[in-house]
Amino acid sequence: GQSLEQPSEVTAVEGAIVQINCTYQTSGFYGLSWYQQHDGGAPTFLSYNALDGLEETGRFSSFLSRSDSYGYLLLQELQMKDSASYFCAITGGFKTIFGAGTRLFVKA
Amino acid sequence: SQTIHQWPATLVQPVGSPLSLECTVEGTSNPNLYWYRQAAGRGLQLLFYSVGIGQISSEVPQNLSASRPQDRQFILSSKKLLLSDSGFYLCACHRDQGAGELFFGEGSRLTVL
Repeated sequence: GQSLEQPSEVTAVEGAIVQINCTYQTSGFYGLSWYQQHDGGAPTFLSYNALDGLEETGRFSSFLSRSDSYGYLLLQELQMKDSASYFCAITGGFKTIFGAGTRLFVKA
Repeated sequence: SQTIHQWPATLVQPVGSPLSLECTVEGTSNPNLYWYRQAAGRGLQLLFYSVGIGQISSEVPQNLSASRPQDRQFILSSKKLLLSDSGFYLCACHRDQGAGELFFGEGSRLTVL
């Protein structure tokens, strides 16, 4: 089967850097992606790693190590609007399976 | 660009009543389509996916069913709702047929009383 683990909550202060880790177990793996979801809204795509290494998109970066079945999302220069839930997800075959999500609280 | 329409946006249904949620996709052809459910404060659970008209794969045995009568239409149904069916139902497809990015509709929030 497939499973993902990520912390349930993370708290950080405005302007800081925060890292959200994700470990996974799967057979048949295409890549690891990250999504952001604000309360009441639909998830929106942040990044996708098909290969090992770091992908950078503005203030957000995502990392994947396939040999370690591990990835992380790095958020820099945190802003209050970054307070949301963040989900890692693995794609294999036709399916994308999501982790339970990490709730990020950004404090002033 | 792709757009996903879902309706109704919100509904409250009694236990034992039927359900029909609709999803239509614009701006792409022959998309892989997905139904996810999210319970309050939880992650997204994959319910069904479809790679073409009439082709449905079920991920979780339950009292829900899905159908794909047209290329860009995906329907989630139930004959008799349970309390546990309450949740936020999201329809999704891959952005531009790429494997990496799922694009979601705005969702249908179902409360079963």
